[in-house]
Amino acid sequence: NAGVTQTPKFQVLKTGQSMTLQCAQDMNHEYMSWYRQDPGMGLRLIHYSVGAGITDQGEVPNGYNVSRSTTEDFPLRLLSAAPSQTSVYFCASTGTGGNTGELFFGEGSRLTVL
Amino acid sequence: AQSVAQPEDQVNVAEGNPLTVKCTYSVSGNPYLFWYVQYPNRGLQFLLKYITGDNLVKGSYGFEAEFNKSQTSFHLKKPSALVSDSALYFCAVRDSAASKLTFGTGTRLQVTL
Repeated sequence: NAGVTQTPKFQVLKTGQSMTLQCAQDMNHEYMSWYRQDPGMGLRLIHYSVGAGITDQGEVPNGYNVSRSTTEDFPLRLLSAAPSQTSVYFCASTGTGGNTGELFFGEGSRLTVL
Repeated sequence: AQSVAQPEDQVNVAEGNPLTVKCTYSVSGNPYLFWYVQYPNRGLQFLLKYITGDNLVKGSYGFEAEFNKSQTSFHLKKPSALVSDSALYFCAVRDSAASKLTFGTGTRLQVTL
């Protein structure tokens, strides 16, 4: 039972570098999302997708890009990393419950930008 | 816009005592309310949800939550706390017409012997 898988678990970047955080789910969930978790701020939504080919912005989308070419995968791209993007990133998905369904979370990716 | 408030950064309780973690919300339509728990260095895990029906919702690990529409609250409760309940708890809300789930800032529960 893999669920939601995120890679890498840890990453250190220098300012200006780019990278992609990978997220894959094997539950055939239509809805996928990316959150960042920062101390004292809870979880904030970056981007989300309600199905393949459809993405939309959340609360804090600046500096991040997403795409959804398949149901299973929802990568998050940092175009030019900044120290303000140091955070723990979580991918989450939900399925047939739609708006009433609970989210299934990955284990997180801890990113440090120097 | 939808929002969630968790007024306590930390709640301390002795093992065996009842616990309450508070949550209030604001939405324009009917609320869908959730509680999640996060253990150290882990992702969030679903505890329980209120969609419609009975105001008292029972969930995992003996937790329950009471939906109060007039007070716009959804407090998490457990009759007898365990040390293993120590974790970070998040309340979340979604407007029935919205796709996005909005989380509170989290409450750290510390249960001591």
